Amino acid sequence: ETGVTQTPRHLVMGMTNKKSLKCEQHLGHNAMYWYKQSAKKPLELMFVYNFKEQTENNSVPSRFSPECPNSSHLFLHLHTLQPEDSALYLCASSQVVQGELFFGEGSRLTVL
Amino acid sequence: GENVEQHPSTLSVQEGDSAVIKCTYSDSASNYFPWYKQELGKGPQLIIDIRSNVGEKKDQRIAVTLNKTAKHFSLHITETQPEDSAVYFCAASRGSQGNLIFGKGTKLSVKP
Repeated sequence: ETGVTQTPRHLVMGMTNKKSLKCEQHLGHNAMYWYKQSAKKPLELMFVYNFKEQTENNSVPSRFSPECPNSSHLFLHLHTLQPEDSALYLCASSQVVQGELFFGEGSRLTVL
Repeated sequence: GENVEQHPSTLSVQEGDSAVIKCTYSDSASNYFPWYKQELGKGPQLIIDIRSNVGEKKDQRIAVTLNKTAKHFSLHITETQPEDSAVYFCAASRGSQGNLIFGKGTKLSVKP
């Protein structure tokens, strides 16, 4: 148990669907992140939030829309995704930006 | 920007043997080098890290070495056990001044 909880753990969606991934951290951290993990590729940083403010958008397509209502919760809203977006999406948090990362177990997304 | 290369991509060892995973980085300003372990179905977890002001750090059976001149760092696991089987990721960053850039990962299998 890392203190970072992601739901759902598995999600299958069609290209025209709209869905959301949720992340909650119980560690009192100030920074939260979304990473994409694809087979045989390095972990790709997507978004960084520090004290609820987005500080990094790593050239992510607009079909991925993050939301951070408070320092404990982070969402990733998904719409009109492509099959190549199928991957494991990992949420992480840290006490300070770029400090030690605590990862959730990920949401496995399959886009049909 | 920073680029991190990690080798080998897969490594199989006999229980009790040592395992070594190597990474190189390109940004000479990088000063923080963590290693993460990802077990099946879980998110990555920090196991050890090193900063550029030291050349070696050890924690029980795990050690990391850093050669700043050559821009490479290595993870050493001694007396391997089956529970060490996982995917290991190296990463590099400029600390609070930059994002963590991850290697592609090494899948370590320890055979009993």
